[in-house]
Amino acid sequence: DAGVTQSPTHLIKTRGQQVTLRCSPKSGHDTVSWYQQALGQGPQFIFQYYEEEERQRGNFPDRFSGHQYPNYSSELNVNALLLGDSALYLCASSPDRGGEQYFGPGTRLTVT
Amino acid sequence: GESVGLHLPTLSVQEGDNSIINCAYSNSASDYFIWYKQESGKGPQFIIDIRSNMDKRQGQRVTVLLNKTVKHLSLQIAATQPGDSAVYFCAENIAGGSYIPTFGRGTSLIVHP
Repeated sequence: DAGVTQSPTHLIKTRGQQVTLRCSPKSGHDTVSWYQQALGQGPQFIFQYYEEEERQRGNFPDRFSGHQYPNYSSELNVNALLLGDSALYLCASSPDRGGEQYFGPGTRLTVT
Repeated sequence: GESVGLHLPTLSVQEGDNSIINCAYSNSASDYFIWYKQESGKGPQFIIDIRSNMDKRQGQRVTVLLNKTVKHLSLQIAATQPGDSAVYFCAENIAGGSYIPTFGRGTSLIVHP
C-alpha cells in the first residue's frame, strides 16, 4: 500500500510564474492538508480539503489555492510566485478530519 | 508569533545515551500534542501523541511528558541510536477544532556512534 505521494520532487520557477503541485493521499484517506515548510522551520498549515471543499485555511494569501478531486487526490496552486515562496511543500492525508495525518515526502520549490 | 517553540535547536548525544527534547507551548486551549520525526528528504513522521488529560505516555523507546501547569512537554528517547538522528517537532492542536497541528521550529538530534 503506497503512502502519500507527491509530484514533482523538485521544481524551479521564476518570480511571477504559476505552479501546480500534486498529491495522492494514502489509500483509504479522504482528507488532504497542505503545509509550507521554510528551511529550518516547522511546517505551516496552508489549507485542508475534505469532500472536494476547502474546509480550513491558514494564514496564507489568495495566491495559494487548491483543489480536491473525487478520487481524493489534490492540487496546490500558487500564482504570482515570490522569492519567499521557496520552500518544501508537504501534503498530508488522514482518514477523516480528526485523524492522524500521514505526510508525503514533499515538493521542493525554488523561486528564482 | 508561533505558539509552539523549542528550547534547543540542536542536541548532540552519544549512541546508547538517553535523549530529552523539550518543547514549550503558549496556547492554554491546546488539548492534544504530537511529536514528529523528520529525516532528511522526508516528510514528518508521527512518533507519539498525548492528550491534555494525561501527563505521561510511553511508546517503544519513547516517552512523552506533559506539564500543563508550565505549558511544557518533552520527548524522551531511550538508548538513542544513529537512526534516531533527525529533526524533531512538537505540534499542538487546539480543542474543538479539526486536527490541524501547529508546529514549532524543531530540534535537530545528532547521534554520534
